[in-house]
Amino acid sequence: ELKVEQNPLFLSMQEGKNYTIYCNYSTTSDRLYWYRQDPGKSLESLFVLLSNGAVKQEGRLMASLDTKARLSTLHITAAVHDLSATYFCAVDMNRDDKIIFGKGTRLHILP
Amino acid sequence: NAGVMQNPRHLVRRRGQEARLRCSPMKGHSHVYWYRQLPEEGLKFMVYLQKENIIDESGMPKERFSAEFPKEGPSILRIQQVVRGDSAAYFCASSPTGTGRYGYTFGSGTRLTVV
Repeated sequence: ELKVEQNPLFLSMQEGKNYTIYCNYSTTSDRLYWYRQDPGKSLESLFVLLSNGAVKQEGRLMASLDTKARLSTLHITAAVHDLSATYFCAVDMNRDDKIIFGKGTRLHILP
Repeated sequence: NAGVMQNPRHLVRRRGQEARLRCSPMKGHSHVYWYRQLPEEGLKFMVYLQKENIIDESGMPKERFSAEFPKEGPSILRIQQVVRGDSAAYFCASSPTGTGRYGYTFGSGTRLTVV
């Protein structure tokens, strides 16, 4: 059974700082997704990573995928308050099936 | 393109009643997935459907829960005889293929409260 683990689960940080959220998964996959969820809202797709070594950047967020290590990172550069949200990674089992979510990282950025 | 449409947005049911949640996928998407999110938790997979077919229902509770995606009309998640533990947000996602190469688009969710 595929397990997806994120850490940290909670993160409080100052504006202007950099930080990284980690996503480990337990079985072979080369498809990984990052989503953002604001309280009471739906999930917004941030990144779709489809191969080993994939790196994507959007604004202050950058995501990467290492399929050999079964690890993805979401790096936040010079955080701003608007990035406060819960961030989920999800992994596809390469079986054209479903995606399995991590528990999410609740990010709180202090002004 | 209206995106993935779910309704109702909020649903209140008394214990023992039935809840019906609807999901219309994005235009051109024929793959639908249902997930449940309990407060302060991640999303748990429930069921994956294509038109008129259930592909994977490994996340569905064995009793009281059912899902369908008819040839015409939205996908329906039905919960019979609801209990307090069914209170959660239910999200539907759709994709144009089952391969995940184009990602999954989520609807706004239905928040079910059982009183």
